[in-house]
Amino acid sequence: QQQVKQSPQSLIVQKGGISIINCAYENTAFDYFPWYQQFPGKGPALLIAIRPDVSEKKEGRFTISFNKSAKQFSLHIMDSQPGDSATYFCAASNVNFGNEKLTFGTGTRLTIIP
Amino acid sequence: DTEVTQTPKHLVMGMTNKKSLKCEQHMGHRAMYWYKQKAKKPPELMFVYSYEKLSINESVPSRFSPECPNSSLLNLHLHALQPEDSALYLCASSQVSTVNQPQHFGDGTRLSIL
Repeated sequence: QQQVKQSPQSLIVQKGGISIINCAYENTAFDYFPWYQQFPGKGPALLIAIRPDVSEKKEGRFTISFNKSAKQFSLHIMDSQPGDSATYFCAASNVNFGNEKLTFGTGTRLTIIP
Repeated sequence: DTEVTQTPKHLVMGMTNKKSLKCEQHMGHRAMYWYKQKAKKPPELMFVYSYEKLSINESVPSRFSPECPNSSLLNLHLHALQPEDSALYLCASSQVSTVNQPQHFGDGTRLSIL
């Protein structure tokens, strides 16, 4: 069964600190790894995504690190702010011409404290 | 503001009612998705439409009936639902390509079954 394991389940970080969320996958056919951010009462919003041909991707304060051999990837949020408090989902899929099935991790509830 | 619009935002219905959820996007995406999300859980895929044809049904009960009348619209018809069907119903869309494309989510319809 295709699975994506995500940890930790919840995370509390002080303002200005680094938030780190980890994911691991089993299916080597996965070739696309997005991260979604979800605020209460809202739908998931795409934050950043990576393909397995690169080991790192950075967009502003958000960085994905990807380790293909270990089948792991992680999200780093630098200089974490209270506005980053949300639930974060990692996901994975393999291309299927519009029939992509996103396999989500279980989610991490991030709280940034002042 | 999301580019995938879902209506209504909230819906309360009895178990014998018939109602419909609506999703609209004007990004030219030809793949559209229905997800179900329970509290504190990741989204679960229900249906995928590719070029207005149903391509994936994740063994969803027949009391949920999807419809894609054109490339911009996606409906989910509901009939004889059960209390356990209470959840956030999310619509998403994406381009169809030879490489994975990001899925863009709406803010969902919060459904409560009495």
